Amino acid sequence: EPEVTQTPSHQVTQMGQEVILRCVPISNHLYFYWYRQILGQKVEFLVSFYNNEISEKSEIFDDQFSVERPDGSNFTLKIRSTKLEDSAMYFCASNRKDRANYGYTFGSGTRLTVV
Amino acid sequence: QQQVKQSPQSLIVQKGGISIINCAYENTAFDYFPWYQQFPGKGPALLIAIRPDVSEKKEGRFTISFNKSAKQFSLHIMDSQPGDSATYFCAARVGFGNEKLTFGTGTRLTIIP
Repeated sequence: EPEVTQTPSHQVTQMGQEVILRCVPISNHLYFYWYRQILGQKVEFLVSFYNNEISEKSEIFDDQFSVERPDGSNFTLKIRSTKLEDSAMYFCASNRKDRANYGYTFGSGTRLTVV
Repeated sequence: QQQVKQSPQSLIVQKGGISIINCAYENTAFDYFPWYQQFPGKGPALLIAIRPDVSEKKEGRFTISFNKSAKQFSLHIMDSQPGDSATYFCAARVGFGNEKLTFGTGTRLTIIP
């Protein structure tokens, strides 16, 4: 079964440093998303991306965050200057063209720890 | 308005029993209601989903019951097995043009022998 692949699985970074989280969505999917889950809490929407631009973003997704699809396969989330409260599990997801009838496929996540 | 409220927070069920998790929503624009299953260290995986034009959907041991007038929906797991032990999230989405999923707070389900 096709998978959404995320790397790295765990990243530790110092406060103030930049991090890039990487995702390879399912190849025929056109819609891409980032969600995060702070330990023990619910999964929260960050941003959706379609046709090389952001479709929607949450209030969490401030100027410190950016997304990019640098080539035909990767989808990245960059946090410019990490804060302690950015520590969370970050999930990438993708969806098909006929997305209304399908759920997302999530990756296994990147655990980001900011120290 | 955008919240999805989920209960209980945790649930312990004996093997072979029925596990029931409930969710409620306010936004009547929601028109797609999936349930996700998450194992430790893994991403949420779609389990089953329903649209508000039906009151029930069954897939194997998993059933969603949907009450549009009450704005509530629930997941029933029949003949619960130890392998069902996971965290379950309900979610809701407005249709085309608004892609984000709004998740409930999750239920940690433990099936005991």
